[in-house]
Amino acid sequence: NAGVTQTPKFQVLKTGQSMTLQCAQDMNHEYMSWYRQDPGMGLRLIHYSVGAGITDQGEVPNGYNVSRSTTEDFPLRLLSAAPSQTSVYFCASNQFQGGGYTFGSGTRLTVV
Amino acid sequence: QQQVKQSPQSLIVQKGGISIINCAYENTAFDYFPWYQQFPGKGPALLIAIRPDVSEKKEGRFTISFNKSAKQFSLHIMDSQPGDSATYFCAASRNNAGNMLTFGGGTRLMVKP
Repeated sequence: NAGVTQTPKFQVLKTGQSMTLQCAQDMNHEYMSWYRQDPGMGLRLIHYSVGAGITDQGEVPNGYNVSRSTTEDFPLRLLSAAPSQTSVYFCASNQFQGGGYTFGSGTRLTVV
Repeated sequence: QQQVKQSPQSLIVQKGGISIINCAYENTAFDYFPWYQQFPGKGPALLIAIRPDVSEKKEGRFTISFNKSAKQFSLHIMDSQPGDSATYFCAASRNNAGNMLTFGGGTRLMVKP
């Protein structure tokens, strides 16, 4: 099925561990982004990409890295997990400027 | 700094009633205003969107009203149904900023049967 696929769905990390959240889309969308969702704060942009090889920071980029080597994949790396990174992470993609984003089903991350 | 403010945080409406959610924005460069609907355990899904060159857009039971001078926009759900119970997010984006979305804080809607 076409869409945005995120893995894993759930993850528990210990403080200081690193991990990569995977995101893949099969719609040939140029724009991809990562958001984190925390209660009462809506979704906040972490990093985004407007095409393969091009990435930029969003509102809350500290502690996260991204790369975009292909159009399809946009992984999010946590370098050294902290309890403040406990959140639900959403990846989203869009085919053109000014249009609506398609979101994945999310990764619920807990850092203990 | 919250560029898009959404209210109320929660809303309870009787079946058949009208649900109204309001948002206000600060950045006059925003040029696209979508609403997203999110069910528990799912990602947000685009519901309806509007651009600042129109004052209202209607799709079925869902209507966006847009007031450019007041920098406000709202979502109206007519004939609200229990299946509409979800969290709703307003958002805004700028075409020349990679079209990245700035979200409001969300409204949890409960429609009572």
